[in-house]
Amino acid sequence: AQTVTQSQPEMSVQEAETVTLSCTYDTSESNYYLFWYKQPPSRQMILVIRQEAYKQQNATENRFSVNFQKAAKSFSLKISDSQLGDTAMYFCAFMKLNTDKLIFGTGTRLQVFP
Amino acid sequence: DAMVIQNPRYQVTQFGKPVTLSCSQTLNHNVMYWYQQKSSQAPKLLFHYYDKDFNNEADTPDNFQSRRPNTSFCFLDIRSPGLGDTAMYLCATSRDPTTQETQYFGPGTRLLVL
Repeated sequence: AQTVTQSQPEMSVQEAETVTLSCTYDTSESNYYLFWYKQPPSRQMILVIRQEAYKQQNATENRFSVNFQKAAKSFSLKISDSQLGDTAMYFCAFMKLNTDKLIFGTGTRLQVFP
Repeated sequence: DAMVIQNPRYQVTQFGKPVTLSCSQTLNHNVMYWYQQKSSQAPKLLFHYYDKDFNNEADTPDNFQSRRPNTSFCFLDIRSPGLGDTAMYLCATSRDPTTQETQYFGPGTRLLVL
């Protein structure tokens, strides 16, 4: 069975600084997808970024980028130039190929301070 | 805007009193999912509908049922809620379950069982 671990329950960062959220996972699959979702307070969860395991290049979306280390089964999220609107719960998630079941980690609560 | 809507946002019920949570979508997506998210835990998939085909997760209690009368609506019925069913319930949709499409989430219904 696949598991996703986020070892940082809470983190904080000052506005305009950079922060990295950690995620590790366990799987015997060779092809899969990894996701970071953001859940702002009292609002819906939205996709931040996704990575296909067969792609070696790290995914980027504006200020958000990942460091995907397949051998180490690590998938960290880097947020550059943090903004107050980045304050949210961040979930790392795993999905096997040809399935639609998301397996989430327990989340990291990020607070961005002015 | 096209979106996933959940009603009510907050629901309080008594132990053993049936409750129904509602989800609607304007995305015309084929798949609708229900997740349970307990406090400080990862969201956990309960079941999903692919069109009219119902797919139950193996460890979802029988107490949880679902209905999808049409493409736009999906309901979560808890027949006899227990205290342990207190949680946030998230609805999500995706266009195609076989292509690892992004899942779009609603804001959730926070259920409190007293």
